[in-house]
Amino acid sequence: EVQVVESGGGLVQPGRSLRLSCTASGFTVADYAMSWVRQAAGKGLEWVGFVRTKVDGGTTEYAASVKGRFTISRDDSKSIAYLQMNSLKIEDTAVYYCARLGGHPRLNTFDIWGQGTVVTVSS
Amino acid sequence: DIVMTQSPDSLAVSLGERATINCKSSQSVLYSSNNKNNLAWYQQKSGQPPKLLIYWASARESGVPDRFSGSGSGTDFTLTISSLQAEDVAVYYCQQYYSTPYTFGQGTKLEIK
Repeated sequence: EVQVVESGGGLVQPGRSLRLSCTASGFTVADYAMSWVRQAAGKGLEWVGFVRTKVDGGTTEYAASVKGRFTISRDDSKSIAYLQMNSLKIEDTAVYYCARLGGHPRLNTFDIWGQGTVVTVSS
Repeated sequence: DIVMTQSPDSLAVSLGERATINCKSSQSVLYSSNNKNNLAWYQQKSGQPPKLLIYWASARESGVPDRFSGSGSGTDFTLTISSLQAEDVAVYYCQQYYSTPYTFGQGTKLEIK
């Protein structure tokens, strides 16, 4: 079964750091860009960023709201994508979803989603 | 950034009736090199992650019932559910993947009348 599973969420104080993991199975993760999308309670979806495949340079793109604080990386040997979150703010509180960016023909759509992991930033 | 605006914010439709959700982008998401609109629709049921329904504005994802259809081009798009079923109660989001930052509409909550 093709799936991604997030882990690493929890309660963290403002200004601190947290690292989320996204473990993929059922597909060759090296062949896909991997993304993070978040959703605050009762709110809509917000794209956080993505990491391209190594073939496409392994480069990253981020939303302005997290750029400079969050870093997405990948370890294809372990089939894991990471979201390193530094200098966390209260407004970063949300469910964080890992999502696969689809291949052809659904390129750049979020075609596989995890169940999400909850991050709460509070003192 | 491309701003996505959905209408209405909420919608109540009777079982078996048609439901229509609109999405407008602040600039065209039509990719000239392949003449495809980089617009997707997602369904999010309560307590679940979103699910991809439609890509390229009108291409149905594998396994999605054919009562779901997408249309439109450029800046104006529509998701239509031809005959509403009880399991279609959800929040629906449009999303552009024409350029980063990828952006979503605010969501449309669909309920049974």
